[in-house]
Amino acid sequence: GESVGLHLPTLSVQEGDNSIINCAYSNSASDYFIWYKQESGKGPQFIIDIRSNMDKRQGQRVTVLLNKTVKHLSLQIAATQPGDSAVYFCAESVTGNQFYFGTGTSLTVIP
Amino acid sequence: GAGVSQSPSNKVTEKGKDVELRCDPISGHTALYWYRQSLGQGLEFLIYFQGNSAPDKSGLPSDRFSAERTGGSVSTLTIQRTQQEDSAVYLCASSLTGTGGSPLHFGNGTRLTVT
Repeated sequence: GESVGLHLPTLSVQEGDNSIINCAYSNSASDYFIWYKQESGKGPQFIIDIRSNMDKRQGQRVTVLLNKTVKHLSLQIAATQPGDSAVYFCAESVTGNQFYFGTGTSLTVIP
Repeated sequence: GAGVSQSPSNKVTEKGKDVELRCDPISGHTALYWYRQSLGQGLEFLIYFQGNSAPDKSGLPSDRFSAERTGGSVSTLTIQRTQQEDSAVYLCASSLTGTGGSPLHFGNGTRLTVT
């Protein structure tokens, strides 16, 4: 199977600081990547996606960076808020058919 | 609009019993996925339906697990002769299309507890 892993299983940041969550993937053929946020008792919620023909994509307060050379994906959250506290997963797929998820990073925002 | 709906939200069953979990995908989504999530773990792929194609069952852990999707819409995941290790949250997701890459939209899951 695929291997999608996260460098940091837990991350604590001060409210207002920027957060960076990292993800390594193993399949160089993967061409579509998604970041999800999961709050307790809920299903994963889509945050942002990126295709392999891009190396950066920005959303509202979030930026995803893709480095295909080292097979690395990161999620940057600007001005982190208490509501950002959750578990964050990255997912990779080839041609969008089957997605493989990492084990997740738990982000805690300290007020 | 309505998101992915799963029922029941919680299910407690005795070891050896059969259970059925239901998923109503977002209307118009052609792809439907089932994942399993154990406590504090990532998502484990189970099965994937795309349109009228044969499902990708490569993630089903044993022959006690099966799933069907009727009319290209509602899906049921059936676990026969449940075991304690089947206890987990079962998540369903749908996407607009399985090809070309479109994001998965998840339901809130069914929490299955086998006693």
